[in-house]
Amino acid sequence: GEDVEQSLFLSVREGDSSVINCTYTDSSSTYLYWYKQEPGAGLQLLTYIFSNMDMKQDQRLTVLLNKKDKHLSLRIADTQTGDSAIYFCAEKHSSASKIIFGSGTRLSIRP
Amino acid sequence: DTEVTQTPKHLVMGMTNKKSLKCEQHMGHRAMYWYKQKAKKPPELMFVYSYEKLSINESVPSRFSPECPNSSLLNLHLHALQPEDSALYLCASSQDVDTNTGELFFGEGSRLTVL
Repeated sequence: GEDVEQSLFLSVREGDSSVINCTYTDSSSTYLYWYKQEPGAGLQLLTYIFSNMDMKQDQRLTVLLNKKDKHLSLRIADTQTGDSAIYFCAEKHSSASKIIFGSGTRLSIRP
Repeated sequence: DTEVTQTPKHLVMGMTNKKSLKCEQHMGHRAMYWYKQKAKKPPELMFVYSYEKLSINESVPSRFSPECPNSSLLNLHLHALQPEDSALYLCASSQDVDTNTGELFFGEGSRLTVL
């Protein structure tokens, strides 16, 4: 089945690390993504990871994939006010043309 | 040019009106998508076009009619909509539907209000 779940809210202090978690149910997922949506805007791809990897780092972003537990996380180091947004986890299956989005996690930054 | 451009940004229409949403990309992408996003919800796939042919229709009501006149343009024709159709309509494109990375490029959306 297709189901991608995330917690709805996360609040972190500016300068701290943010960790956004996601679980998915379909073990045939081949690519997993993190998209960012700022208010009133479309979605922007932040990073993706192939299912045969367990970690990917890109500047302040670190993606961890635990395929056994079907758990994906996004760590944002040194969180800034500009990181305030909704973060969507998404998955794609090799046999499907579509990408399934999670419910989104709203990240808010406090001073 | 890595942009997906959507017009109009805002649209208010009555239930008897006919209107269209437009989407354009010049990245040479051969797959284009319409998503619907309600407030505080994830985008939901409506339609996928691959090489200008409709490849996925997610059981969308016929009051929404997509059209892909050429590889750069995607339209969504709206007729006899209901107030519950009010949402942000997002267009996206990708190299093709089977591209390995599956990266979608999104427009900023058209916010539709049906009165």
